[in-house]
Amino acid sequence: KAGVTQTPRYLIKTRGQQVTLSCSPISGHRSVSWYQQTPGQGLQFLFEYFSETQRNKGNFPGRFSGRQFSNSRSEMNVSTLELGDSALYLCASSLSGSSNYGYTFGSGTRLTVV
Amino acid sequence: GQNIDQPTEMTATEGAIVQINCTYQTSGFNGLFWYQQHAGEAPTFLSYNVLDGLEEKGRFSSFLSRSKGYSYLLLKELQMKDSASYLCAVEMGATNKLIFGTGTLLAVQP
Repeated sequence: KAGVTQTPRYLIKTRGQQVTLSCSPISGHRSVSWYQQTPGQGLQFLFEYFSETQRNKGNFPGRFSGRQFSNSRSEMNVSTLELGDSALYLCASSLSGSSNYGYTFGSGTRLTVV
Repeated sequence: GQNIDQPTEMTATEGAIVQINCTYQTSGFNGLFWYQQHAGEAPTFLSYNVLDGLEEKGRFSSFLSRSKGYSYLLLKELQMKDSASYLCAVEMGATNKLIFGTGTLLAVQP
């Protein structure tokens, strides 16, 4: 079966711009979680969506937002980009968002803010 | 707060055994994951421990002690392809989210 697909793979943006990242989960999976990965902080939880509803949220500013569509695809948006937003953004797909079914990660979108 | 500690870097020799430790202090605990991540690639699932004890899967084993807030990943018969980052992650009970350590970069040398 197809894995988790994230697009685009690479992105370069300028400070102050906004960006939208996309994540298509494994077919049949209804939960999508988003993580930010930086060398100093490791992976940090952004938010999780299940059946088009945000269920959990991490400690990121309101500039970070997301949504999920009826086909379970999810998008993440970052507005007013800052240099510190440069990171690898990973999404994880799960049947229900619990360990009973595991989490499968996509290869990520590498965002560089200049 | 949540705190997960693992060594930043480790070096080992091909064919040898290496143990990567992870200690955690979190409010809420469902279980503990280990993931492997090669540079530029997605993290891939290695193991999941809920109960105390050792789980063995081929060359990889993972141990958990909930009372001590401690886990380790044991890699046997190391191969060059095992050079990667190893991520320890706690699944939080109330939120079903993963809290990750910063990862251990393992370098396997010939």
